[in-house]
Amino acid sequence: GAGVSQSPSNKVTEKGKDVELRCDPISGHTALYWYRQRLGQGLEFLIYFQGNSAPDKSGLPSDRFSAERTGESVSTLTIQRTQQEDSAVYLCASSHRDYGHSNTQYFGPGTRLTVL
Amino acid sequence: DQQVKQNSPSLSVQEGRISILNCDYTNSMFDYFLWYKKYPAEGPTFLISISSIKDKNEDGRFTVFLNKSAKHLSLHIVPSQPGDSAVYFCAASGPFPQFYFGSGTKLNVKP
Repeated sequence: GAGVSQSPSNKVTEKGKDVELRCDPISGHTALYWYRQRLGQGLEFLIYFQGNSAPDKSGLPSDRFSAERTGESVSTLTIQRTQQEDSAVYLCASSHRDYGHSNTQYFGPGTRLTVL
Repeated sequence: DQQVKQNSPSLSVQEGRISILNCDYTNSMFDYFLWYKKYPAEGPTFLISISSIKDKNEDGRFTVFLNKSAKHLSLHIVPSQPGDSAVYFCAASGPFPQFYFGSGTKLNVKP
């Protein structure tokens, strides 16, 4: 079956504009994560969705960042009033069921965001 | 403030020899550790993991060692193959669902 897909693969935007990034998880995966990877750094956890439970937003860096997920399907990460420090690769991952942190996450290829 | 650190950005190894990738962490509350492998233009893929109640986990050519007292994790690849050339990330978990990743080590296995 298809893996995790993300779109767009690349996004160049001007400072101050809003952007929306999309993630299509593997069908049947109830858990979904968003991460950010800045140049030369590790992945930073942003947000976690599990089924219909309230998301864990503890990693979101500011109120300009928000994410939504409808049920167990697609998720969108929105960054409002983008800043140059938002430039990074944004990665989405999904996992089959919530067995806790021992459950394997499957990553998408990421969206490379460049804010000019 | 990085809680998981990979201090070697790159490593070059001859085919057939052992590759050792290292990772250090600062938070003693981490209770699960993972290694991911990443090829260019692809997302990371899970490689191997270890729970904090163990000090070693082996899967084929890949072995992960955990030294809790030193807060140190290592991945051994024996024998190394050219197809192993990739960026390797270590990650630590705790409390769920927070995962903390290192910045990666680029492994080059020379034929």
